[in-house]
Amino acid sequence: QSALTQPASVSGSPGQSITISCTGTSSDVGGYNYVSWYQQHPGKAPKLMIYEVSNRPSGVPDRFSGSKSGNTASLTISGLQAEDEADYYCSSYTSSSTLFGGGTKLTVL
Amino acid sequence: EVQLVESGGGLVQPGGSLRLSCAASGFTFSSYEMNWVRQAPGKGLEWVSYISSSGSTIYYADSVKGRFTISRDNAKNSLYLQMNSLRAEDTAVYYCALDYYDSSGYEYWGQGTLVTVSS
Repeated sequence: QSALTQPASVSGSPGQSITISCTGTSSDVGGYNYVSWYQQHPGKAPKLMIYEVSNRPSGVPDRFSGSKSGNTASLTISGLQAEDEADYYCSSYTSSSTLFGGGTKLTVL
Repeated sequence: EVQLVESGGGLVQPGGSLRLSCAASGFTFSSYEMNWVRQAPGKGLEWVSYISSSGSTIYYADSVKGRFTISRDNAKNSLYLQMNSLRAEDTAVYYCALDYYDSSGYEYWGQGTLVTVSS
């Protein structure tokens, strides 16, 4: 049950696009189309932003998109806004658990 | 409106026990799988345990296996986490989390309850 690998931090200016990667193995990210992404602001509970690799829950802006290639999933945020500054976590379903990534701190410059 | 409200956190000595509860409302609790997820101070999210809607299928993270027990009471719309042999590294905010739309993502989270293991 090793955590998925994410970059510790990314940054971008308002209006720009950024991408956060999430690398696992063929037993988790690569083996299922069940990758989710969460946004977490300080002191708050996580919020689901993407599920099943590329689907957005109702209410999540279409600036947020997800994809996957092999054992690596990605979250792209386009048209960065100040309120996007937060921690982002990927997760993947496995046959008997859920794995989370270590988290990525997004700074909007 | 779906609501999940955790309780039972607090300060406990190493080796001690604590029982967390999660009160669910706004949905048919007995029809849904539930999970516990924790977050140590300043750290990332860690999945802890899963229980099926009937309670017949249960999974644990390796880090808590043999020490924690997940259970549910569908008549009381409640989820529980019995934590024994607590260690300093179990210090975290514990969330109950719901995959409401069967998407493998957790659409609903409680506000969390803080467990501190310290002498």
